[in-house]
Amino acid sequence: GAGVSQTPSNKVTEKGKYVELRCDPISGHTALYWYRQSLGQGPEFLIYFQGTGAADDSGLPNDRFFAVRPEGSVSTLKIQRTERGDSAVYLCASSLTSRNEQFFGPGTRLTVL
Amino acid sequence: KQEVTQIPAALSVPEGENLVLNCSFTDSAIYNLQWFRQDPGKGLTSLLLIQSSQREQTSGRLNASLDKSSGRSTLYIAASQPGDSATYLCAIPGNTGGFKTIFGAGTRLFVKA
Repeated sequence: GAGVSQTPSNKVTEKGKYVELRCDPISGHTALYWYRQSLGQGPEFLIYFQGTGAADDSGLPNDRFFAVRPEGSVSTLKIQRTERGDSAVYLCASSLTSRNEQFFGPGTRLTVL
Repeated sequence: KQEVTQIPAALSVPEGENLVLNCSFTDSAIYNLQWFRQDPGKGLTSLLLIQSSQREQTSGRLNASLDKSSGRSTLYIAASQPGDSATYLCAIPGNTGGFKTIFGAGTRLFVKA
């Protein structure tokens, strides 16, 4: 079956703009994670969804970041008033249930000019 | 607070050599530990997931071991090949305190032909 997909693969935006990043998890996976990865670092946890609800959003850096998963499948990460420091690769992962094997998408490379 | 450390940060070996990558963690109350591979500019590929009740897990030339009491996991790669060149990451999902998955910074492996 299809793996985790993310769109767009690349996004270039200007400082202060709003962006949305999309994640399509593996069908049937109830758990969905968002991460951010900077060069030379491991992924940094942002938020975890179990079904439609955000069960753990402790990794969101500030209130400019928000994520939704309204129907328990596709998720959107939303970043308001982007800053240059938001530039990174944003990764999405899904798993059958919480704390199971995670499968990652290819990521969205966000560049804020 | 869980912290994950990977040593060495980088490793260069000749083709055919057996090698060991190390992952250490500070909180032994874990559900499982997952090893990933990441190629440059790509997402993460799951290699092995080892449950907290297991001592080791094998897949092909890869063997992961887990010693919870000492807070260590190792990934053993037998008969390394140039195609094994990548960054290897270990990750630990959140325990009863939440769902925040913590990653190490990774070990960059280069296998010379």
